[in-house]
Amino acid sequence: GNSVTQMEGPVTLSEEAFLTINCTYTATGYPSLFWYVQYPGEGLQLLLKATKADDKGSNKGFEATYRKETTSFHLEKGSVQVSDSAVYFCALRTGNQFYFGTGTSLTVIP
Amino acid sequence: EAGVVQSPRYKIIEKKQPVAFWCNPISGHNTLYWYLQNLGQGPELLIRYENEEAVDDSQLPKDRFSAERLKGVDSTLKIQPAELGDSAVYLCASSLARGSETQYFGPGTRLLVL
Repeated sequence: GNSVTQMEGPVTLSEEAFLTINCTYTATGYPSLFWYVQYPGEGLQLLLKATKADDKGSNKGFEATYRKETTSFHLEKGSVQVSDSAVYFCALRTGNQFYFGTGTSLTVIP
Repeated sequence: EAGVVQSPRYKIIEKKQPVAFWCNPISGHNTLYWYLQNLGQGPELLIRYENEEAVDDSQLPKDRFSAERLKGVDSTLKIQPAELGDSAVYLCASSLARGSETQYFGPGTRLLVL
């Protein structure tokens, strides 16, 4: 079946630290991959996406590369800010279905 | 352009009572999704509409949940009767068309059943 497994949190980092949130997936066919971010009290917002193998999605300093050989889509940012504190969800789309991971909570402290 | 609108934002009810949630998708978006998000979990699909047709409702607990999307625009999700385990956030999302890559989410309705 289709599923997404992401790194459990919570993750706490100091401002300007390097961030990696791991995400691996299981899917039939050729899924598209996404990272969504959810700020407190808000709905999910698309952060970045990649639609085929070796594509790199990037936005707001975040990036993730679609790795078919390792079925991974790890999220990275070189220098986090306090404003990046949120919950991050990895997701895949196959056919017309979306599948979400359980989310990783990130807190960035000054 | 307005985003996906949901109301109410919060709802507290006693068990066995009915409750309804409303969603207005982004103008022109034909596909509408209702998701359930339990605390500490990712969204799980309840139902997906293409225009006014429910094309995937396999995860909707039909004994107590119902949904409609009259005229293919606004949608309402109802629970009757509510149970304690229904306490969660109910998210609505929309996308431009079937097969569209990107969903846009509303802020959600947080339901607490006492």
